[in-house]
Amino acid sequence: GQQLNQSPQSMFIQEGEDVSMNCTSSSIFNTWLWYKQDPGEGPVLLIALYKAGELTSNGRLTAQFGITRKDSFLNISASIPSDVGIYFCAGSQGGSEKLVFGKGTKLTVNP
Amino acid sequence: KAGVTQTPRYLIKTRGQQVTLSCSPISGHRSVSWYQQTPGQGLQFLFEYFSETQRNKGNFPGRFSGRQFSNSRSEMNVSTLELGDSALYLCASSLVGPIESTDTQYFGPGTRLTVL
Repeated sequence: GQQLNQSPQSMFIQEGEDVSMNCTSSSIFNTWLWYKQDPGEGPVLLIALYKAGELTSNGRLTAQFGITRKDSFLNISASIPSDVGIYFCAGSQGGSEKLVFGKGTKLTVNP
Repeated sequence: KAGVTQTPRYLIKTRGQQVTLSCSPISGHRSVSWYQQTPGQGLQFLFEYFSETQRNKGNFPGRFSGRQFSNSRSEMNVSTLELGDSALYLCASSLVGPIESTDTQYFGPGTRLTVL
């Protein structure tokens, strides 16, 4: 079945540093989504990407939809303690096709 | 606007029992999707319901079933529970479907199921 390879699995950074994580797939996706999940909560959508090459920002977060449609990255600038959590990428081939999720990147920010 | 609600939040069952989990979508949302989240497998899609019909299904055994009511509320049922069914079960709702143009999928807080 379809799989998304998300890396890194975990990151330990200092407050103020920039962060970058990415997802790759062997299949082409028409949509890429990035979610953040806090402990005990469901994932919250951060950024949605619908066009190859699209670069979208949401505050300190920036995500890009790769030109090949097989990858996406998420950058967080000037990290703060509340950025701690697990970040998931998700992709879909569109229409009513199911979302496929990466295994997550666990981010720890040291004050 | 109230978010997606799931009940119960926590559940402990024993092997062989069955369980029913409930999800109330955001008002006006017609699509409800269910996911199983475990540390080893991550988020796995179970099924999606739209207008009381199952529109999409993941690769889970028949012990996992669901339904949607006319008010868009959804339930999922797991029969003959196994130890490996211990997981966080997440429900997500959207207006039309998981991916439709700019449609967005909103997750509930999940139900933590522990099978002993």
